[in-house]
Amino acid sequence: GEDVEQSLFLSVREGDSSVINCTYTDSSSTYLYWYKQEPGAGLQLLTYIFSNMDMKQDQRLTVLLNKKDKHLSLRIADTQTGDSAIYFCAILSGGYQKVTFGIGTKLQVIP
Amino acid sequence: DVKVTQSSRYLVKRTGEKVFLECVQDMDHENMFWYRQDPGLGLRLIYFSYDVKMKEKGDIPEGYSVSREKKERFSLILESASTNQTSMYLCASSFNRGTYNEQFFGPGTRLTVL
Repeated sequence: GEDVEQSLFLSVREGDSSVINCTYTDSSSTYLYWYKQEPGAGLQLLTYIFSNMDMKQDQRLTVLLNKKDKHLSLRIADTQTGDSAIYFCAILSGGYQKVTFGIGTKLQVIP
Repeated sequence: DVKVTQSSRYLVKRTGEKVFLECVQDMDHENMFWYRQDPGLGLRLIYFSYDVKMKEKGDIPEGYSVSREKKERFSLILESASTNQTSMYLCASSFNRGTYNEQFFGPGTRLTVL
């Protein structure tokens, strides 16, 4: 089946940029997502990119997609303490809207 | 405001009990999903449903069953709870049409099986 891999933990200083990386195996994926989970809550869609795009920018967020290497990244500029959360990479492929999630990267922002 | 609600935030059950986890969405979504979330393993899909009375196995269906009698409600059933089913359970829903197919999640139910 599909596999989505990401590192478990990232620590950055407030004001720095954060880059969270993800690799996947399914080359037929159509949409690729970044979800955010704050403590004690469910996941919430942060941003997404369609597979025919290389980059998407949304305020402080930049998503880069390298289809050749099957690599997705999320860059958060000027990281704030409120950005501390778990970030899940996810891909949509196959029928019935089935999404495969990575294990989640816990972002810790140090004041 | 879109909403997915789950019947309990915390639940404690004993080994062998039958457990029902309920999920309700108010967005008229066709698709509904049950995941479990465990440290170091991320989200794993247990079952999903793309229509009333329809269900499909996910990646880890063993020990679970589901019921979808109404479009807005999707229930996860643990026929005989075991300690290895202690976990956070997340319900989600999405449209079966449209563009980027965002999944909307409930707040989760933390189940402990003693």
